Amino acid sequence: EVQLVESGGALVQPGRSLRLSCAASGFTFDDYAMHWVRQVPGKGLEWVSSISWDSGTIGYADSVKGRFTISRDNAKNSLSLQMNSLRAEDTALYYCVKGLRAVRNGFDIWGQGTMVTVSS
Amino acid sequence: QSALTQPASVSGSPGQSITISCTGTSSDVGSYDLVSWFQQHPGKAPKLMIYGDTKRPSGVSNRFSGSKSGNTASLTISGLQTEDEADYYCCSYAGSSTLVFGGGTKVTVL
Repeated sequence: EVQLVESGGALVQPGRSLRLSCAASGFTFDDYAMHWVRQVPGKGLEWVSSISWDSGTIGYADSVKGRFTISRDNAKNSLSLQMNSLRAEDTALYYCVKGLRAVRNGFDIWGQGTMVTVSS
Repeated sequence: QSALTQPASVSGSPGQSITISCTGTSSDVGSYDLVSWFQQHPGKAPKLMIYGDTKRPSGVSNRFSGSKSGNTASLTISGLQTEDEADYYCCSYAGSSTLVFGGGTKVTVL
């Protein structure tokens, strides 16, 4: 069974940094792209970032480009999102999502999410 | 990276069919056969219902079908059931390793 377990969410002040992690299991991690998607409670889904199986293809939403960095460690079956210069508008539930092979194909299995709150 | 356009809400009676539209541009929906649809019940993570415009993952009811014409993709739910009441989101590849979601549609079963 595919499992994605996010961690690292917290209450953080504006301008500070936070690192999210996702532990993956139940599938061959290095065969698939991985993604981060966020959702403000009660609002819609927003794609944040994607990374190919070999980290050779990476994409970011304009809203986070230059502030967030996605990475993966295939040896540890883990995905990370380094978030710098956090803003109030980054407050959301962050989902780790398994890809459907390449980045362009989108995604299928979602984790349960980890909450990030940016507030002073 | 402009969001795809979906109606805010769609409703139907049990047994009826409903269709949710998802309008993008020639840079996203119209350029690739890569539209996905997700169902999300309150407090739950989204679930993939359709990918690659028209493909249904194993385990998803054949009451759900996807189609596309030009820059508009559609999700049709036939034989509407009470458990179909949820939020539905479309998502498309938008080029340059980016993806974009629609704003979401709330489906109500009357």
